Amino acid sequence: EAGVTQFPSHSVIEKGQTVTLRCDPISGHDNLYWYRRVMGKEIKFLLHFVKESKQDESGMPNNRFLAERTGGTYSTLKVQPAELEDSGVYFCASSSGTSPSYEQFFGPGTRLTVL
Amino acid sequence: AQSVAQPEDQVNVAEGNPLTVKCTYSVSGNPYLFWYVQYPNRGLQFLLKYITGDNLVKGSYGFEAEFNKSQTSFHLKKPSALVSDSALYFCAVRGVTGYSTLTFGKGTMLLVSP
Repeated sequence: EAGVTQFPSHSVIEKGQTVTLRCDPISGHDNLYWYRRVMGKEIKFLLHFVKESKQDESGMPNNRFLAERTGGTYSTLKVQPAELEDSGVYFCASSSGTSPSYEQFFGPGTRLTVL
Repeated sequence: AQSVAQPEDQVNVAEGNPLTVKCTYSVSGNPYLFWYVQYPNRGLQFLLKYITGDNLVKGSYGFEAEFNKSQTSFHLKKPSALVSDSALYFCAVRGVTGYSTLTFGKGTMLLVSP
């Protein structure tokens, strides 16, 4: 079974540019999460999809961030325009359910550097 | 609001010695607690979790963790460290009610020397 995949693995962009991150969850997982880790700090929740619907987007930092999950399969996270403080590692996770017995499986992350 | 504290940025231990990575939490009600590990250039890998029941939880790669409700702690332990255990370890919590998102600590780097 393939795990959670993320693309690209690294992205270096200049302030003001746009970047789109992609996450492919484990096949059949309705729940998809985005998290972010800024250098040396906690991994922080961004949002949670159940199929194509946003269940919880309370962690999205501002309206420069737009997440989509059309068709309930893969998800994209767009940052437009990017700012310096957006730099960090963006993790995607998926699970087949939301109770604690369902493990969240994480992808390798996308390292975003904004110059 | 729930939170997790990992008081040590780094833990150094010699191979063969026991290791402990500390974690304390704050959450309303009974907690669900998790440990994840991140090896270089890899994603987060699940190690173990506490949901209910026995306070001592056993997980992958010989790791275990002890849930202590009175001290609100969930320290990760291993009786004999391996060099290959060197990695970044994250403790996480979620509450009984509300959404299923995880709240993480800032991580502890474990370095096991030969």
